[in-house]
Amino acid sequence: QVQLQESGPGLVKASQTLSLTCTVSGAAISGINYYWSWIRQPAGKGLEWIGRIQTSGGTKYNPSLKSRVTISGDTSNNHISLKLTSVTAADTAVYYCARGYSPLWDWGPGTLVIVSS
Amino acid sequence: DIQMTQSPSSVSASVGDRVTITCRASQGISRWLAWYQQKPGKAPQLLIYAASSLQSGVPSRFSGSGSGTDFTLTITSLQPEDFATYYCQQGNSFPYTFGQGTKLEIK
Repeated sequence: QVQLQESGPGLVKASQTLSLTCTVSGAAISGINYYWSWIRQPAGKGLEWIGRIQTSGGTKYNPSLKSRVTISGDTSNNHISLKLTSVTAADTAVYYCARGYSPLWDWGPGTLVIVSS
Repeated sequence: DIQMTQSPSSVSASVGDRVTITCRASQGISRWLAWYQQKPGKAPQLLIYAASSLQSGVPSRFSGSGSGTDFTLTITSLQPEDFATYYCQQGNSFPYTFGQGTKLEIK
């Protein structure tokens, strides 16, 4: 069974870079049929798909965030990373990593990131 | 972007009831639709994929149907653990957008 766990700073200052890591167990992120996504959810609101990576096939990003987001994979440590630059209060949310892109088969528990001014 | 519109936004029902939630896409998405259940403070969980395929381990009282632009999630014989928020998601084209959610509450 695939398990995912997000980690990273829970507080980021406005204009700085949000950096999160998703540790995957039970599957190799380099698997040819595996995609990995990041999704976020502001408190009390709906879900927003941020982007996906297939470590052998590249990345796709939500155009609304494309200029600020980078998703990468570390196959030696079986991690997926998210970087979001120039954050504002609007980026405050719970961030999830997940296996797949649609459907999203398995999800991590999520990590809350608050952007402070 | 493809807009996904769920209705209703919230619904009240009792244990044992049958509930139907609809999801409409702003353009055709074939059968590239998934449904998720989310409980407070928890990550969403996949219920249905490819519009009507039941994810392993999901009770058979959950079912999905539809294609093109109109989809439904039906829960028969509601159980206490089914009271949650439900989201649809399209996988036809980038970005993979979600519906706004339907909150299923106990009457």
